[in-house]
Amino acid sequence: ILNVEQSPQSLHVQEGDSTNFTCSFPSSNFYALHWYRWETAKSPEALFVMTLNGDEKKKGRISATLNTKEGYSYLYIKGSQPEDSATYLCALYNFNKFYFGSGTKLNVKP
Amino acid sequence: SQTIHQWPATLVQPVGSPLSLECTVEGTSNPNLYWYRQAAGRGLQLLFYSVGIGQISSEVPQNLSASRPQDRQFILSSKKLLLSDSGFYLCAWSELGDSPYEQYFGPGTRLTVT
Repeated sequence: ILNVEQSPQSLHVQEGDSTNFTCSFPSSNFYALHWYRWETAKSPEALFVMTLNGDEKKKGRISATLNTKEGYSYLYIKGSQPEDSATYLCALYNFNKFYFGSGTKLNVKP
Repeated sequence: SQTIHQWPATLVQPVGSPLSLECTVEGTSNPNLYWYRQAAGRGLQLLFYSVGIGQISSEVPQNLSASRPQDRQFILSSKKLLLSDSGFYLCAWSELGDSPYEQYFGPGTRLTVT
């Protein structure tokens, strides 16, 4: 079992604030790193899949970076909006299996 | 387009009773299939995954079992439920494509064991 850690566990920000979360994973045996967004009462939805060291992905106000050598990924949200409120999960993919972190729960106050 | 179905949406079962949760995928062939559980206040834990019919791998020993009788059907079962089996169960599928093994999740089943 690969240990994937996310921090912080929860985050409360005001609308318009920019924020970021961290996902840490063992740097060996790396194949892909996934970020998911999980809104209450919905299914997790894929945000990014990254495979290469130095990868940067962007979707609207959300972006992510990957450092496979030191074993971490950052997720950034610029100008948070109330609709960004959700739990953000990262998962390490290796040999057909996904190892999820416990998530960062983001609450954006209007 | 691909869709994933999971049922039932909610389930309340007494301790010691059997369990059967079903997941089916449409619009794809030979997907990888996964069962996850989220216990209260915790992240997603991989329970089982399958790369083909009849091929089941378990990551964590538990009171549950899984079967894949057809290519796009994945079933999670238990002969006797424990209180600790309560949680939110998610089925997911993936395939090799442009985004390596991007996963797509079903709507989930909320299981309460009383």
